[in-house]
Amino acid sequence: TQLLEQSPQFLSIQEGENLTVYCNSSSVFSSLQWYRQEPGEGPVLLVTVVTGGEVKKLKRLTFQFGDARKDSSLHITAAQPGDTGLYLCAELRNTGNQFYFGTGTSLTVIP
Amino acid sequence: GAGVSQSPRYKVAKRGQDVALRCDPISGHVSLFWYQQALGQGPEFLTYFQNEAQLDKSGLPSDRFFAERPEGSVSTLKIQRTQQEDSAVYLCASSLGGVGTQPQHFGDGTRLSIL
Repeated sequence: TQLLEQSPQFLSIQEGENLTVYCNSSSVFSSLQWYRQEPGEGPVLLVTVVTGGEVKKLKRLTFQFGDARKDSSLHITAAQPGDTGLYLCAELRNTGNQFYFGTGTSLTVIP
Repeated sequence: GAGVSQSPRYKVAKRGQDVALRCDPISGHVSLFWYQQALGQGPEFLTYFQNEAQLDKSGLPSDRFFAERPEGSVSTLKIQRTQQEDSAVYLCASSLGGVGTQPQHFGDGTRLSIL
């Protein structure tokens, strides 16, 4: 059962465009991670956000954690074909041992 | 190698057969996780080991699924009497410390197809 909602589910854009994808939950995150997964490979961690309102930047990627720690967004500036992949958010629940993943946003950047 | 290694990369089995999937974590990593990823979905948690101890197996979908890590390094996920709904990519991840203290490093998965 997927407990995190990600939107949009699919996104296809031209190279150079900007985009934002979202991750939402009905409950408060203790911490949230964003991953990118390319076909045939495992997810690769991009960032971990912990504090409400936190903003982190990784080159052209900007990650924001909502003030109430129930939502997060990933903004990509000037997308490139190498950004193509499945973007996943994952939260570590306070109960401890499990990371819950969202359904993912499949991004295609067309050259 | 430096990363998490999973084998085989692809496994095709007939319904009813037993399969075993192997995960070699990064050397020295304490935590090991197994996930199941259906096509077009995010990974779903199956089980968690800290060293050789299986601390959480709440995600295993049925008693046909069994995981072990007897010496605290290599882990095997076994599925008995496979069913078509078991078809998925099985991902293994390891981390240096306990859950949430260090990043998870994922292998490239085993794609299991049940005919």
